[in-house]
Amino acid sequence: DAMVIQNPRYQVTQFGKPVTLSCSQTLNHNVMYWYQQKSSQAPKLLFHYYDKDFNNEADTPDNFQSRRPNTSFCFLDIRSPGLGDAAMYLCATSREEEQFFGPGTRLTVL
Amino acid sequence: GENVGLHLPTLSVQEGDNSIINCAYSNSASDYFIWYKQESGKGPQFIIDIRSNMDKRQGQRVTVLLNKTVKHLSLQIAATQPGDSAVYFCAENRGTSYGKLTFGQGTILTVHP
Repeated sequence: DAMVIQNPRYQVTQFGKPVTLSCSQTLNHNVMYWYQQKSSQAPKLLFHYYDKDFNNEADTPDNFQSRRPNTSFCFLDIRSPGLGDAAMYLCATSREEEQFFGPGTRLTVL
Repeated sequence: GENVGLHLPTLSVQEGDNSIINCAYSNSASDYFIWYKQESGKGPQFIIDIRSNMDKRQGQRVTVLLNKTVKHLSLQIAATQPGDSAVYFCAENRGTSYGKLTFGQGTILTVHP
């Protein structure tokens, strides 16, 4: 019955080692979002896809990239993770105004 | 800059009390608001929403109030239970036709048995 699925739930990577986080959805929503959430903070939008159109937030570092090969899947690539990139990464989808969130991936950078 | 903010970062209540969580927003173009609940280690979960043409909306044990005059949003939880302990975020849609949201700071609600 899962709607927005994120894999893995926990990811450990090394400083500077590229990492990819995955998100899939069964809702057939046309918009997918990636957020970064640090402890005791609100989710911070990194970028979103409206269909195939990529929309980057102005303050998202170049270190963060995304791919959306089809409607169901979206990936977050961190090219060279730094210690400051350790966070929860949330994927969300929407068709209209309500966003549906996945459970998140907790990223640890060693 | 424009933002959605919260007055109280933490709120502690006794089980059975009513809880009120507040949120201020500054963008007069915002026309849709959502409250999310986020438990530890989980993604935000939809609680209730309200459109700008309404000033009150009720759900099961929750009520959202919108005061557009002072740009204020509140979430009321009746008969608060330990399971309500979580972080609560308000979020606003600044006029997009889809779900792009701007999140507020968050309030940590702790319910004591």
